[in-house]
Amino acid sequence: QVQLVQSGAEVKKPGASVKVSCKASGYTFTSYDINWVRQATGQGLEWMGWMDPNSGNTGYAQKFQGRVTMTWNTSISAVYMELSSLRSEDTAVYYCATFRGGTYGVYWGQGTLVTVSS
Amino acid sequence: QSALTQPRSVSGSPGQSVTISCTGTSSDVGGYNYVSWYQQHPGKAPKLMIYDVNKRPSGVPDRFSGSKSGNTASLTISGLQTEDEADYYCCSYAGNYTLVFGGGTKLTVL
Repeated sequence: QVQLVQSGAEVKKPGASVKVSCKASGYTFTSYDINWVRQATGQGLEWMGWMDPNSGNTGYAQKFQGRVTMTWNTSISAVYMELSSLRSEDTAVYYCATFRGGTYGVYWGQGTLVTVSS
Repeated sequence: QSALTQPRSVSGSPGQSVTISCTGTSSDVGGYNYVSWYQQHPGKAPKLMIYDVNKRPSGVPDRFSGSKSGNTASLTISGLQTEDEADYYCCSYAGNYTLVFGGGTKLTVL
């Protein structure tokens, strides 16, 4: 069965960076894009961007351009999302998900809570 | 990329039907047949309920249906059940390999 397992919760200070991992299993890793979506406490879902583990192509939401980097490691079927210059508003649960056709998320990770606090 | 507009909350009694709207623009909802809907229970990851406007993944009950007219997409849940109580989010392709979510709708089953 398809599984996406994310790294554990993080606490960071303002201005720091965080790198969240998403390890895939149960399917051919390079077959589907991975998208990242975040959700602040009590708030809605916010799309951050995508990457294609097959080509290495990425696309980021305008809001995060310049602050987010998505990378991958095919040998261990993992995708990473790094967000820099953290501020308190970045406190949220971050999800990775496999997207089909680049438009809908089928399998989701369990989420990673990132807390930004001084 | 502005978030798609959804009602903050809707409610219905068991057995009734409810419809959740999702309004965007001609650059997202109205421009593509790539609207998806997600159900999210508290503390859980989102679950795909509808994709490509009106297609249901296997395992999703046929009580859930999707449609679109112009710049507004809709999710209809018929025969409401208590377990349907959750938050629902729409999502649309917005061109240039970008996506946009709606603000979310809290469904209460009375």
